[in-house]
Amino acid sequence: GQQVMQIPQYQHVQEGEDFTTYCNSSTTLSNIQWYKQRPGGHPVFLIQLVKSGEVKKQKRLTFQFGEAKKNSSLHITATQTTDVGTYFCAVRRGNTPLVFGKGTRLSVIA
Amino acid sequence: KAGVTQTPRYLIKTRGQQVTLSCSPISGHRSVSWYQQTPGQGLQFLFEYFSETQRNKGNFPGRFSGRQFSNSRSEMNVSTLELGDSALYLCASSREYRAKGQFFGPGTRLTVL
Repeated sequence: GQQVMQIPQYQHVQEGEDFTTYCNSSTTLSNIQWYKQRPGGHPVFLIQLVKSGEVKKQKRLTFQFGEAKKNSSLHITATQTTDVGTYFCAVRRGNTPLVFGKGTRLSVIA
Repeated sequence: KAGVTQTPRYLIKTRGQQVTLSCSPISGHRSVSWYQQTPGQGLQFLFEYFSETQRNKGNFPGRFSGRQFSNSRSEMNVSTLELGDSALYLCASSREYRAKGQFFGPGTRLTVL
């Protein structure tokens, strides 16, 4: 079945440092979605990327979709304690259901 | 607009029992998906419904079943519960089938003793 690898599994940063999580697939993706789940909460949709090489920004968050549509990244500039949580990528290929990566758990030390 | 609601929020059952979980999607959303979330396996897809039809089913045993009603509300049922079924069960809705982004409910925390 379709798999997507997400790295790193955990990331601990000092407040103010940058953070990046990566999502990699061995096959070409139709699109990729990113979600954030706060501790004790539920996943919240952040964004969907569709086009090859696409870059989108949401305040301090920058999302990129690779040229080959096989990988994506989420970069947070100058992390804050409110960024704490697990970040998931989720992918579809063809008519398959949405498949989530294992997530990257971000801890921010104040 | 109210978000996705799931009932009950917490449930404790014993092995061998069955359980029914309910999900009410955001008003106007016609697609509902169910996921099982555990620390070890992460978010695993269970079912996807649109217009009362199951469009996709995940790799779970037949003890897991679901349905969607004409008002888009959905239920999932797990029969003959096992200890390994303990998990957070999340429901997500979207306006259309395979729409951009899914909106998750708070989940039902199921504990099987």
